[in-house]
Formats: sequence, structure tokens, C-alpha cells
Amino acid sequence: QLQLQESGPGLVKPSETLSLTCTVSGGSINRNSYSWGWIRQPPGRGLEWIGSIYYTWTTYYNPSLKSRVTMSIDSSKNHFSLNLSSVTAADTAVYFCARSYINTWAFDFWGLGTLVTVSS
Amino acid sequence: NFMLTQPHSVSESPGKTVTISCTRSSGSIASNYVQWYQQRPGSSPTTVIYEGIHRPSGVPDRFSGSIDSSSNSASLTISGLKTEDEADYYCQSYHSSNSVVFGGGTKLTVL
Repeated sequence: QLQLQESGPGLVKPSETLSLTCTVSGGSINRNSYSWGWIRQPPGRGLEWIGSIYYTWTTYYNPSLKSRVTMSIDSSKNHFSLNLSSVTAADTAVYFCARSYINTWAFDFWGLGTLVTVSS
Repeated sequence: NFMLTQPHSVSESPGKTVTISCTRSSGSIASNYVQWYQQRPGSSPTTVIYEGIHRPSGVPDRFSGSIDSSSNSASLTISGLKTEDEADYYCQSYHSSNSVVFGGGTKLTVL
């Protein structure tokens, strides 16, 4: 069974860069049918897609966040990462990593999520 | 990009049927697949419908999805409501430029 696990600091200072990693177990990240994405959910609010990356390093970003987002993938470690720069309190959220089918954008496996708070 | 609009909340009694709509603001709802996710408090979302009408294995057949081009909407229908169905439900689709869009979510209360 595929499992995804987010990791990274739970507290980030304003104006700094939020960095998270998603480790995939139970399957290879080098599958040409899937992309690997980040989705966030501010407390009490809805889901927002941040971006997705393919094992070839092709990336797709939410246009509203594109200027601050960088995603990368490390096939040797079977993990992918998110960097979100110049964070503010509005970036406080639970961050989920998830796998999606490349042709349908259906997310089928999700991590448990990790809460990141932006505060000084 | 387009938006997906859902009702903020719906409520219904156990055993009844409820339908949650998801209206696409521009472009055809039928142009790109629609998924529906269930999210219980404190948990990750799980798929209840994918590609508009399909149920993953393990999802009861009380859950069904449909597409209505005349209203440019997708719908999730849950019949024979159970208290365990109480959750937030999100629709999701994508733009042809490979940009993913989620609806704002609907809180289902089973009274």
C-alpha cells in the first residue's frame, strides 16, 4: 500500500521560506502515470492546490502562488519537496502531499498532513 | 482560470437522499474530469467519485456522481444517508493548462 509522509518545520517566521518534504513508501516515485502534488488547507477553510511535479522534473504551479513556489523531486530518496518563499500569516495551513493520475488529475493517495504556522 | 462553486452547507435526515452541486464558472464542465473527495474532521481527504461518475473500490454504491451540461455542473448524490456520511465534501477539476481547481467545499450535516 502506497504511503506518503510529510515532514518539515511546524513553525516558520514571516518573510522566510517554508520547506517541506514528502517521503513516498510502498511504491516508486518514478512512475510515468502519476504526478506528485502539494495541497494546503488553512484552519477552518477549504483545499487549495499549490502545485505538482512529475518524475522528469516537469512542474505545474497554482498561478496565484507561482512566483513563490519551487518544487523538486529526488528519485534516489523517493521523495519530493516544496519551497514556499516570503511567507506571511496567510500561509498558515495544513500542508498535504498527494499522488495524482497524470491524465485525470485525480488524487488517489494523500499524506496525513502537517500543520505549518507562520509566526514570529 | 475557472472556479468551482459549491453550496456552503447542506443537511438532511438519516435514510434520505442529498445532492451536492459543483458549478463551473467558465468552460464546459464536461471538458475535464471531476473528482469528489470526502474529508472528515482531522483527516485527509479520500476519493468518493473520480472521473465524474466512477466509485473507487470500497466506496458504497450509495454514492454516485453525475455531470449536467445544461447547468454546467457536476453533482454528488448520497442516498440512504448515514450519520457516518457527515463530513466536508470537495469537488475538484483542472484546467487544460494543467492547473488544478478545488471547489470551496460543502459541509454535510446528517441530522
